[in-house]
Amino acid sequence: KAGVTQTPRYLIKTRGQQVTLSCSPISGHRSVSWYQQTPGQGLQFLFEYFSETQRNKGNFPGRFSGRQFSNSRSEMNVSTLELGDSALYLCASSVDLPGNQETQYFGPGTRLLVL
Amino acid sequence: DAKTTQPNSMESNEEEPVHLPCNHSTISGTDYIHWYRQLPSQGPEYVIHGLTSNVNNRMASLAIAEDRKSSTLILHRATLRDAAVYYCILRASIMNYGGSQGNLIFGKGTKLSVKP
Repeated sequence: KAGVTQTPRYLIKTRGQQVTLSCSPISGHRSVSWYQQTPGQGLQFLFEYFSETQRNKGNFPGRFSGRQFSNSRSEMNVSTLELGDSALYLCASSVDLPGNQETQYFGPGTRLLVL
Repeated sequence: DAKTTQPNSMESNEEEPVHLPCNHSTISGTDYIHWYRQLPSQGPEYVIHGLTSNVNNRMASLAIAEDRKSSTLILHRATLRDAAVYYCILRASIMNYGGSQGNLIFGKGTKLSVKP
């Protein structure tokens, strides 16, 4: 099976712009989670989607949003970019069976640089 | 969420065993212990997980203390490719369908260096 894919891999934006990142989960996986990784804060959870619904949300401002499509693909959007949004954005997918300790499979990430 | 404590860094020699410790003194009875690692310039990858008994897979072994307040990830023969940041994470067990498994809460992890 193909792994989790994320596009684009690298992105440069300027302050005030908005950006959309895309994630294609492993075929058959229904849950998609997004994480932000920065040198200062480490890996932090953004949100999780399951069956096109946001099921869990981290502590990030409303400028960060996401959605999931019927084919489980997911996008995240950051509006009004700030310098501090420069980070590696990671997407992870899992099958999501109840009661199981599901492994999350991570993509390679999208590295966003805000100038 | 219960927290974990890991050393910031460890060093190992190639082809020697490595024992990566993790303390989780506030672990609850239904928390599973997961380990992920992140190789340079890659996303994290799953290594192993367990509840009470020691676990083995092709990548590593997980030794869990009898009181479950600590655990140790064991790499039996470290290779240069094992140089990574290793994260010890606790995850609650969710039984209801549609209920979130809960996001992974990453700490700082242990940066493992492997010397040739």
